[in-house]
Amino acid sequence: NAGVTQTPKFQVLKTGQSMTLQCAQDMNHEYMSWYRQDPGMGLRLIHYSVGAGITDQGEVPNGYNVSRSTTEDFPLRLLSAAPSQTSVYFCASNTGRSSYNSPLHFGNGTRLTVT
Amino acid sequence: DAKTTQPPSMDCAEGRAANLPCNHSTISGNEYVYWYRQIHSQGPQYIIHGLKNNETNEMASLIITEDRKSSTLILPHATLRDTAVYYCIVRVYSGYSTLTFGKGTMLLVSP
Repeated sequence: NAGVTQTPKFQVLKTGQSMTLQCAQDMNHEYMSWYRQDPGMGLRLIHYSVGAGITDQGEVPNGYNVSRSTTEDFPLRLLSAAPSQTSVYFCASNTGRSSYNSPLHFGNGTRLTVT
Repeated sequence: DAKTTQPPSMDCAEGRAANLPCNHSTISGNEYVYWYRQIHSQGPQYIIHGLKNNETNEMASLIITEDRKSSTLILPHATLRDTAVYYCIVRVYSGYSTLTFGKGTMLLVSP
């Protein structure tokens, strides 16, 4: 009963380094999305995907890339990490079949620190 | 999506009902009300949602006023494990899964 799995749980990067945050879901959900959460800011949408091969930008996309080559996976890439990207990142998915009332399923987050 | 207003924090005694209000006075006819919660260090968890009728599930009840401008999430017998930030979100079906999270209400359940 895995649901949405995010790896790694914790990561420390130096400014300028690159990395990929992994997200996988085993519920055959069409929709997947990435959020970041900063203190006092709530969750903000970075990128989302409505299906394999389709991605779009959310509220705060700058500095992040995504791709969706399979239904199950939706990795988030930081090409050149900056201290402003220190945050907790959450991946979420939901089914598109009745998405008017389909709740989001969230992973448990990746805590990223950029020094 | 319509904007929501929630109190920043609330307290509740263990075993009592927790009633969390949400104002969404600009909600339109095709927008649903969703509630999520986030326990410290975990991902948000779906609780319940509704359009205009009251809803109940194993976790909570959702009461939506007749004019749909406000709603109340009720946790009938709060436990210490219900201490969390609760988010009220209104959202129209738009064909994709985005939700706009505000700052929510921090509910503290005390013994």
